[in-house]
Order: sequence, then C-alpha cells, then structure tokens
Amino acid sequence: AQTVTQSQPEMSVQEAETVTLSCTYDTSESNYYLFWYKQPPSRQMILVIRQEAYKQQNATENRFSVNFQKAAKSFSLKISDSQLGDTAMYFCAFSRGLASYDKVIFGPGTSLSVIP
Amino acid sequence: DTEVTQTPKHLVMGMTNKKSLKCEQHMGHRAMYWYKQKAKKPPELMFVYSYEKLSINESVPSRFSPECPNSSLLNLHLHALQPEDSALYLCASSQDTGTSALRQHNEQFFGPGTRLTVL
Repeated sequence: AQTVTQSQPEMSVQEAETVTLSCTYDTSESNYYLFWYKQPPSRQMILVIRQEAYKQQNATENRFSVNFQKAAKSFSLKISDSQLGDTAMYFCAFSRGLASYDKVIFGPGTSLSVIP
Repeated sequence: DTEVTQTPKHLVMGMTNKKSLKCEQHMGHRAMYWYKQKAKKPPELMFVYSYEKLSINESVPSRFSPECPNSSLLNLHLHALQPEDSALYLCASSQDTGTSALRQHNEQFFGPGTRLTVL
C-alpha cells in the first residue's frame, strides 16, 4: 500500500523568505503522480503543483517548485518570496494515475504560517 | 467557470435528523467525489461517482447515502448521524477522461466544503 509522510506538522517563515516543505512516500509503482495541495484557513483546497514520476525535470509554477528525488522517494516543495497569502495547510499527495478510480492518498499535512 | 459549489456552508443537526448536503459543478466534469475532513487532518475519501455511477465506496457507514441525480449534481443524504461524524465535508470533481493522453487534465477541483456539527 502507498503511504505519504510529512514530517513537519508546523512551520513558519518570514515574509519574502524561502521555505521548503518535506514529503516522502512509499510505493512499488514505477509510474505515478505526486501533488502539493494548499488549503488556506476557511478556503478551498487548490492544487499548487503536480509532478509525473516518469518526468525527471522538476515541476515549477511561479514561486512554487519541487525537488523530486525518485530513488529516495522524496518530493519537497519550495516556496520562494513567501507571501502572507501562502499561509495555509499544505498536503502532499500521491496517486497511481489520474482516472477517478485512482485514489489520491494525502499526507498528514504541514501548517505553514507566513509572518509579516 | 472553474468552480465547485456546496450548500449549505454550515449545518447543525441532531442525531435523529435527516439532512442533505449538495454539490454542483458546471465544468462538464464526469467524476465527482465526497471527502470527509477532520480539523488539521487530510481529507478522507468517502465516495466516487464516475459518469453518474458509484464507482468507489470506501466502506462508509450506511447513515451516509450518496446520490448523483445528473452529471452536474452530487448529494449526500445524512440520517441518524453520530457526534463523531462532525467534520468538514468536501466535494470535488474532475474530467475523468478515458483517453490516457487527455488524463493530464484530470486534476480534482474542490468545493469550499460544508461544516457539519452533529449534536
């Protein structure tokens, strides 16, 4: 069975600084998808970034980038130039595929606070 | 329109009540999902509907009864709930295209949730 671990329950960062959130996972699949979801307080969960395992290049979306280490089964999220709006719960997630029957497995989450 | 809407936003009910949660999307998505989320915990999958048919039921108690009247709507009927069922109930939808080449667009879009309190 697949598992997703986030070892940092809470983190904080100064506004404009850079922060890295850690995620490790366990799977025997050779191809799969990894995600970072953001859930701000009392707001909708949104997909921040997605990585396909067979792609060696790390995904980037504006200030968000990942460090995907397939052999180590590590998938960290780097947020550059942190903004107050980045304050949220961040969930790392895994899925074998992108069909509706491919269950998304979420990690326990990291609560990030951006300090003015 | 990339929005999933859920009503009501908040619901307080007694253990003998019957209520329903509603979810709607107008993105033409063919898969819809119900998740349960406790405070500071990740979402837990409850049900998945694909092309209006129930495809996944994660062994959810029968006091939760999903219904998919059409491809845009997903309901969750509640009856005889317990206090431990108090949680945020999230709905999501995705395209769920069958063609593998198009599946890269199958990300899940989440609604804002219904915060349920069972007294």
